[in-house]
Amino acid sequence: RKEVEQDPGPFNVPEGATVAFNCTYSNSASQSFFWYRQDCRKEPKLLMSVYSSGNEDGRFTAQLNRASQYISLLIRDSKLSDSATYLCVVNSGGYQKVTFGTGTKLQVIP
Amino acid sequence: DTGVSQDPRHKITKRGQNVTFRCDPISEHNRLYWYRQTLGQGPEFLTYFQNEAQLEKSRLLSDRFSAERPKGSFSTLEIQRTEQGDSAMYLCASSLVPSGSWETQYFGPGTRLLVL
Repeated sequence: RKEVEQDPGPFNVPEGATVAFNCTYSNSASQSFFWYRQDCRKEPKLLMSVYSSGNEDGRFTAQLNRASQYISLLIRDSKLSDSATYLCVVNSGGYQKVTFGTGTKLQVIP
Repeated sequence: DTGVSQDPRHKITKRGQNVTFRCDPISEHNRLYWYRQTLGQGPEFLTYFQNEAQLEKSRLLSDRFSAERPKGSFSTLEIQRTEQGDSAMYLCASSLVPSGSWETQYFGPGTRLLVL
């Protein structure tokens, strides 16, 4: 089983729609979790950290479910500019490194 | 620009040649990472430094790859005797890790390598 797994998509959604991505991780000792956004042929950029209590930043909501070992990202009122690949990142502190998922591609269509 | 910078941004080389990439992290960041990303994949960890010490290397990092961070500031990644399979985007990231805090990494724009 991969350390971090994501549905590669693509998710094609109309403008204004709500879309959610999940990401599962295998190491129950994982300590910190992030969502990064990557535009085509660009570097990944931090979108948001994911906290145990869940967190919200405008139209974006991130949740962590430790029991089922997954994190989620919810995007409300999708904009064309949200089109990108969303990378799930898990930090298993014992390895002193972060592990990236392969990313989920989102395409918001007019 | 106070972000992570990488040089060169693009490199085309012939198989068997050596290449060297440079990364300048955010100035106060003590941790520096190298990743490799191929099309359709997420970044794969190669190695990381805490200040000038190289603390971990991935199994992906063959003997042809070497990384240094001599003064705990900029870092170089050298690939010797390049192979076509080395073609990828090489990403550098840096972070500041005081004890007990969550770690977030900030990426540079990457160096895109094409081995012919």
